Amino acid sequence: ETGVTQSPTHLIKTRGQQVTLRCSSQSGHNTVSWYQQALGQGPQFIFQYYREEENGRGNFPPRFSGLQFPNYSSELNVNALELDDSALYLCASSSKGSSYEQYFGPGTRLTVT
Amino acid sequence: SQQGEEDPQALSIQEGENATMNCSYKTSINNLQWYRQNSGRGLVHLILIRSNEREKHSGRLRVTLDTSKKSSSLLITASRAADTASYFCAIVGSNYQLIWGAGTKLIIKP
Repeated sequence: ETGVTQSPTHLIKTRGQQVTLRCSSQSGHNTVSWYQQALGQGPQFIFQYYREEENGRGNFPPRFSGLQFPNYSSELNVNALELDDSALYLCASSSKGSSYEQYFGPGTRLTVT
Repeated sequence: SQQGEEDPQALSIQEGENATMNCSYKTSINNLQWYRQNSGRGLVHLILIRSNEREKHSGRLRVTLDTSKKSSSLLITASRAADTASYFCAIVGSNYQLIWGAGTKLIIKP
């Protein structure tokens, strides 16, 4: 157990809807990164938040947005869902200023129909 | 795009045998990390090797790094059924994001 939690575990949405995924980071960590993992592939970096500010972004459209709260928990919001958004969404917490390992939550499985 | 490329894509061995997975990457790195993922769930950090290190051990795991060839290998000795998982290498990009390969799926047969 890493101490990183994510909710919900599974989610089914319809194309065009909006979804919010949540992540609680490990105690003492101030950085949260979000990844999208399609079936059979490696994770793709969506963005990272450090002290409530976006600190880097991968190649994802603006309809993917996020928030980080003062307690360092985080949300990932996806608007106008598309079928290709179906994936496992992973969040990882870490300490800023190092390239040490990231601690991952169990993920949220999103299915868009 | 994924910078790390694992090889082989899948590996099936008998329990007790050793398993070797390889990773190649394209850019210069500060460190390279290996992770394990069970059943499409969260990833677990296994080992980190820095660019100035050539080999690192952790229990039954041995990782090597050849920066001249831009490659790394993960060796799992005396494999167990519980080692069945997907294994990923990841390199650190800008802003400490991790850039991943597609993974090696390892199956340990009893």
